[in-house]
Amino acid sequence: GAVVSQHPSWVICKSGTSVKIECRSLDFQATTMFWYRQFPKQSLMLMATSNEGSKATYEQGVEKDKFLINHASLTLSTLTVTSAHPEDSSFYICSARQDPSTDTQYFGPGTRLTVL
Amino acid sequence: DAKTTQPNSMESNEEEPVHLPCNHSTISGTDYIHWYRQLPSQGPEYVIHGLTSNVNNRMASLAIAEDRKSSTLILHRATLRDAAVYYCILRGIGGSNYKLTFGKGTLLTVNP
Repeated sequence: GAVVSQHPSWVICKSGTSVKIECRSLDFQATTMFWYRQFPKQSLMLMATSNEGSKATYEQGVEKDKFLINHASLTLSTLTVTSAHPEDSSFYICSARQDPSTDTQYFGPGTRLTVL
Repeated sequence: DAKTTQPNSMESNEEEPVHLPCNHSTISGTDYIHWYRQLPSQGPEYVIHGLTSNVNNRMASLAIAEDRKSSTLILHRATLRDAAVYYCILRGIGGSNYKLTFGKGTLLTVNP
């Protein structure tokens, strides 16, 4: 149980285009999902927290107009990187919180974004 | 969230026990100790968490010092698949978002 999927697993796009990444909790409902970014040889950095049915909460320094997050259902959150540039190339990882009482997060396998 | 300190890297031999230390001297009374690991090119994976008492699950054991200022993740028999970066994270209660703050973690190498 507690499986989180991401789609696509990797994507290559041209500079200036937008890319959408999906995060799904397959066997549980997630009221809260999180989006992280990880550059090579670095740790995960939280970008935003997504609560179902409400606006996402962005971490300091993360542009909300560039990284659009939608959490329309209890099993799906999407991250859209708008007008992507080479510096946005990174490993994007989502996670979902299954049970508030245990506070455990389950992570997706990640999406490798390369912007040419 | 309170800060944790972990060694940058550790090395182990296959089928031997591994003890991964974590110092968290500024831990508060309500902070839970979480461990996650990240295999190469994958998302992190939950390993174990605890508050005061030692914890065991199918993946590992968590030994928490009596003063809670340090903890040790124990892999009883390391396998090649356990090679990963291990993160020790403190998570307090309260607030609605339950964020996890990842440090640099410990890179565990397992030798065959």
